[in-house]
Amino acid sequence: RKEVEQDPGPFNVPEGATVAFNCTYSNSASQSFFWYRQDCRKEPKLLMSVYSSGNEDGRFTAQLNRASQYISLLIRDSKLSDSATYLCVVTSNFGNEKLTFGTGTRLTIIP
Amino acid sequence: GAGVSQSPSNKVTEKGKDVELRCDPISGHTALYWYRQSLGQGLEFLIYFQGNSAPDKSGLPSDRFSAERTGGSVSTLTIQRTQQEDSAVYLCASSQPGLGAAEQYFGPGTRLTVT
Repeated sequence: RKEVEQDPGPFNVPEGATVAFNCTYSNSASQSFFWYRQDCRKEPKLLMSVYSSGNEDGRFTAQLNRASQYISLLIRDSKLSDSATYLCVVTSNFGNEKLTFGTGTRLTIIP
Repeated sequence: GAGVSQSPSNKVTEKGKDVELRCDPISGHTALYWYRQSLGQGLEFLIYFQGNSAPDKSGLPSDRFSAERTGGSVSTLTIQRTQQEDSAVYLCASSQPGLGAAEQYFGPGTRLTVT
C-alpha cells in the first residue's frame, strides 16, 4: 500500500463549479500535511498547509481528519487557471524532513 | 530574490555513462533535498542534507547514486553507469529551518533521458 494515496483523476470540471479531492495516508505518525500544485512540466509549488482545525485561503479550503487519516481540498468557483495536478503531501516530522507525495490528482477546468 | 536553480535543465546520456546534476539552493537555506519524478509516478524522495551532512539517504535507489554538498550550499547528485530506468526528472528543493513545518521550494528540475 502506498503511503499517500490519491485518485489520479482526471477531473474535468466546468468553470465556476466546486470540486473536491481527497487523499489518504497510511502513517499514523504523520505530523504535517500540505497540498502542492504542479503545472505541466513545472516544479511543484506549495498551495497550502493543512491544519487540524481546517483552513481556508480564498477559494481553497483544506481539511484534515486524523482519526480517518485523510486530507481534503475543496476549490470553489473554479477558474481556468486552477487546471493543474494537485499533490497531497505528508511529513513525519516538523521542520526539515522528507516530503512523501501522492501521485497527484489531475484537474482540468473546462470553459 | 533568486530561487532554487538546477543545471543542466535537460541531459541526454547513453546507458552506462556517468552524469552529474547540480543544485543551487536559495541563499541561507540550510536544508536541501533531492527528489525524482518518473513518468506516471509521484515524486520520490532520494536524499536530504542538513548543512553538508546527509542524515537521511534512505531514498537513494542503488549504490550507483551518490550526492554531496559543499560549503552548505551547492549540491551535486551523481549517477554512475546510468540505466534506462534512471530516466526521470530530478528535482532539488531547499528550506529554512524554523518552528513548525518548513515550506520546501523546488527548482525547475533536470530532465534526464538515458538512451
